[in-house]
Amino acid sequence: GDSVTQMEGPVTLSEEAFLTINCTYTATGYPSLFWYVQYPGEGLQLLLKATKADDKGSNKGFEATYRKETTSFHLEKGSVQVSDSAVYFCALSNNAGNMLTFGGGTRLMVKP
Amino acid sequence: DAGITQSPRHKVTETGTPVTLRCHQTENHRYMYWYRQDPGHGLRLIHYSYGVKDTDKGEVSDGYSVSRSKTEDFLLTLESATSSQTSVYFCAISEVGDFGTDTQYFGPGTRLTVL
Repeated sequence: GDSVTQMEGPVTLSEEAFLTINCTYTATGYPSLFWYVQYPGEGLQLLLKATKADDKGSNKGFEATYRKETTSFHLEKGSVQVSDSAVYFCALSNNAGNMLTFGGGTRLMVKP
Repeated sequence: DAGITQSPRHKVTETGTPVTLRCHQTENHRYMYWYRQDPGHGLRLIHYSYGVKDTDKGEVSDGYSVSRSKTEDFLLTLESATSSQTSVYFCAISEVGDFGTDTQYFGPGTRLTVL
């Protein structure tokens, strides 16, 4: 079946550092790929998505490129802020019912 | 804001008791989902619905049932709660949003503790 693997955290960075959170997937066909973010005590919010190979999703300074050849969708940000501290989830959708398969989540902590 | 509310937001119950969680949406979206969130597992799908009275099982459906008698409400029932069902439960809906098709939006979650 489909699966998503993302790097375990926590990831601890200083403010203005470069962020990469790795995500790889296993799926048949051509899934859509997503990054969701969860701030403390809240539900998940869609951060960005890509629906086909070589698409780049971007939002709030975050970017991720759908790489079919490496089955990856790594999340990057050039300069993180304390307010980016959260848990980030990579996910895929590969079915008519639009059900999501999630990775285990990566906690990011940004220090001033 | 996709207009999703969940109730209750927090619940503590005892092993063996039935529990029902409610998800309510205000925008008539066809698809609704229940997930549970556990450390190291991300979110896992319990059940989903693709219309009134149309539901199907997800990855971790054992011990759970659902009902959808109205478009706006999707109920999750733990028939006899166990400690392994202690978790945070999220409801989600599908709509066509800013990012295009197949985007899911999530409710605020219900934290359930089974003693």
